[in-house]
Amino acid sequence: EIVLTQSPGTLSLSPGERATLSCRASQSVTNNHLAWLLQKPGQAPRLLIYGASRRVTGIPDRFSGSGSGTDFTLTISRLEPEDFAVYYCQQYGSSPITFGQGTRLEIK
Amino acid sequence: EVQLVESGGGLVQPGGSLRLSCVASGFTFSSYAMSWVRQAPGKGLEWVSAIDGSGDNTYYADSVKGRFAISRVNSENTLYLQMNSLRAEDTAVYYCAKAGSGYSYYFDSWGQGTLVTVSS
Repeated sequence: EIVLTQSPGTLSLSPGERATLSCRASQSVTNNHLAWLLQKPGQAPRLLIYGASRRVTGIPDRFSGSGSGTDFTLTISRLEPEDFAVYYCQQYGSSPITFGQGTRLEIK
Repeated sequence: EVQLVESGGGLVQPGGSLRLSCVASGFTFSSYAMSWVRQAPGKGLEWVSAIDGSGDNTYYADSVKGRFAISRVNSENTLYLQMNSLRAEDTAVYYCAKAGSGYSYYFDSWGQGTLVTVSS
C-alpha cells in the first residue's frame, strides 16, 4: 500500500499570499496518478487536480499541481477567502487507492 | 449536470447490516467506474470499495474485505454497498464517488454523503 504523507499539517496564511502544499508517497506513484481535492466543512470533497498537474475544468488557474514519482506539490498562487479549507492528495495508480491525511489551510 | 444521491445510512448495532444506495444522473452511468469513500467523524478520507462500469470487477480495502459488497444496477443508474458485520470503527459518512474516466479512479463527482453510525 502506498502511504501518502502531506505537509504541513496546518498552514496559516493571509489572503493574497502563495500557498505550497506537499504530498510525499512511500513509493513511486504509477503514471503520476495523483489527484488533489479540497473539502470545506460540512461539504463533500471536490476534485481540483488529477494526473498530478491537470486542472479540472472550472477550477481557477491560481491552482496548479506539479511533481512526479514520490514528490508532488499543490500551489495556490494568490489565496482567495474561499480557498481556506482542507486539502487532500490521493493516489490512484496502485491498489488500494489511498489518501493523504490532509493539510488544513487556515486564515492567519 | 452530474448528480449523486446517497441514502440508506442510519444507526445500527455492532454486528448488524445496512445497505447504502447511490442514485446517479447526468452521465452515462454504465461507462464509468464508481466507488465508495468514507470519512469518520473529524478524520480524513478512506477509500472503501470500487466497481468498474460493467460491474464485473470489484475492489475492496482490506478493512472491509469479506464484510462489505459493492454492486451496481446499470439499468437503474444505481450503486449499492451492502455492509455486514458492522463494527464501531465503520462509523463514518459514506460518499458515493464517480471515477473521472473508465479506468482512472480519480473522483470527479461526489454525493453529499450518508451517515452510518454503529453503536449499541
